Order: sequence, then C-alpha cells, then structure tokens
Amino acid sequence: DAGVIQSPRHEVTEMGQEVTLRCKPISGHNSLFWYRQTMMRGLELLIYFNNNVPIDDSGMPEDRFSAKMPNASFSTLKIQPSEPRDSAVYFCASRRDTQNTGELFFGEGSRLTVL
Amino acid sequence: AQSVTQLDSQVPVFEEAPVELRCNYSSSVSVYLFWYVQYPNQGLQLLLKYLSGSTLVKGINGFEAEFNKSQTSFHLRKPSVHISDTAEYFCAVGVQGAQKLVFGQGTRLTINP
Repeated sequence: DAGVIQSPRHEVTEMGQEVTLRCKPISGHNSLFWYRQTMMRGLELLIYFNNNVPIDDSGMPEDRFSAKMPNASFSTLKIQPSEPRDSAVYFCASRRDTQNTGELFFGEGSRLTVL
Repeated sequence: AQSVTQLDSQVPVFEEAPVELRCNYSSSVSVYLFWYVQYPNQGLQLLLKYLSGSTLVKGINGFEAEFNKSQTSFHLRKPSVHISDTAEYFCAVGVQGAQKLVFGQGTRLTINP
C-alpha cells in the first residue's frame, strides 16, 4: 500500500509568493494532521482534520496560513503571502481512527525555502 | 495540558554500545506514550507505544522503553546500537479523550564506528 504522499518534496520561492503544499493520506484513514518542523521550534502541530472536518487549527501561526480537506483523499496547506520565517519542513500525517492511541503515518515532508 | 521533555538534544555513542534516550512527561491525567524515529530526509515512523498494561514495551529494531509512572518517564533503550540507528528520536504523549499528540524536541542519536 502507498503511504502518505506529499508534494512537492522541495519548494524554493520568493517572499510574497503563494505556496501550496499537497497531501494524499493513506486510504481509509480518518484523521489528517499537518506539522511543521524547524531546528528552533521542533515539530509543531498546525492543524488536524477528522473525517475531512477541521478540528483544531490553534497551531496555525497566523492568517497567512490556511488548510483545506475537500475530500478524504486530499488536503492542502496554503501560505499566502510567504515569508522567510516560513522556511521549514512541512509534514502531513494520517491515522486510521480519530483516537490518539493509533499510529500516525507520516509523509516524507515538503521542504520549503522562502528567500 | 500535557508536555514532553527530552533531556538530551544530542547523544553520541559508539557502535555496539548501549544507549538510553530520556523522556519525561507532564500530565494531570492518564497518558499514552510513544517513541517515533526520523531517519535523514524522511518522515517520522513509530518505534513503539505504551497504552496500558505491562510497563516494559518492546518495539522495532531492538528498541524498548519502560513506563515509570512515579517518575513520569518513558526512557528508550537499546542494548547494542548499529550505525543504521543514526536518526532523530521523538517522544510523544497523548491523553485519553484527546486526539492530538504532543511531541518532544527530539534527540539526535549519532553512532560512531
């Protein structure tokens, strides 16, 4: 079975540009999470969805960030406008059920560099 | 709210030596505890988890961890490490009824030949 698929793997953009990161969770998984990883702040949860519905977006840094999950097989994280401090690796993860006893399956990440 | 502290940001060891990566948590309610591993340029993957029952949990690749409620710890151990264990290790905590995990800052394990 395919794992969590993220695209692009690498993105280099200039400050002010819009960035869209994409995620395809594992089929049959009901929860989806977006994390950001930086050296300074470690792994931060940005937002998560259960059954395509956003549950907690308290980790989204500011209004420049938005996330959607239009269906069970696709989610996007958008940054508009992007800033250099947004440079990080963004991970998407999915889980079969909504309870946190289950295993999180992570994608390989999207490395974003904002110049 | 729960929190996780990984006491060492980096741990260098020699190949075939034992290793312990330390994790302490804080929570006012019962917890679930996890260790995830991140190999270079990859996402995280589950090593092992404690939900209930036996406090000694065995995971993949020869790792094990022990839940100690009185010391609020969940240290990860391996009796003999290999070069291939070079990675970053994350401890995470969740609580019953909640849906998200809180991750520690990570410990970078470096294996020297």
